[in-house]
Amino acid sequence: DAGITQSPRHKVTETGTPVTLRCHQTENHRYMYWYRQDPGHGLRLIHYSYGVKDTDKGEVSDGYSVSRSKTEDFLLTLESATSSQTSVYFCAISNLAGASNTQYFGPGTRLTVL
Amino acid sequence: GQQLNQSPQSMFIQEGEDVSMNCTSSSIFNTWLWYKQDPGEGPVLLIALYKAGELTSNGRLTAQFGITRKDSFLNISASIPSDVGIYFCAGLQSGGSNYKLTFGKGTLLTVNP
Repeated sequence: DAGITQSPRHKVTETGTPVTLRCHQTENHRYMYWYRQDPGHGLRLIHYSYGVKDTDKGEVSDGYSVSRSKTEDFLLTLESATSSQTSVYFCAISNLAGASNTQYFGPGTRLTVL
Repeated sequence: GQQLNQSPQSMFIQEGEDVSMNCTSSSIFNTWLWYKQDPGEGPVLLIALYKAGELTSNGRLTAQFGITRKDSFLNISASIPSDVGIYFCAGLQSGGSNYKLTFGKGTLLTVNP
């Protein structure tokens, strides 16, 4: 299994509070991704990174920001959490672009916004 | 974004039966991936396909990259209770960003002992 950890694994927070989720990898992979998973929607890409300090938006990026100051860490921040951001968040990594972009997933963070 | 149509949405089978599921799209993909997700865990990669027509096996699992590059199939032979879970297909398109996978919505498999 790819060395990917996510923290925290579970979090309950209140509407309007800031939240930061962390993804840490020990594989030295170049690419990192944040997804959210919701019933009826499957996995949707929030943001991704193609190198240190290089990030771009995915399909559901509104309300989220990311940062990657080191190869091994990719942070997802909800500046002001809303109930619609209650979800399970997965980090993924990959090392090759193009046709060989095989992504490996972390264990997930379950976030509840009350 | 592009959509992958994954079917069936759910399956209820008896232990020992074979299972087939598929993903289709109106767009061409140059990579197909199949993942399995157990409750409370992240998706785990089962099989990766990189060439049209490719047929790849992983134990009791066999997946094929459709010749038109618009579909992929996953078969599970002689199912066992631990096959229970959600199976996702994912595709990577030609051109544009090479980083973004498109995911199907999953097939929920239940195996009755």
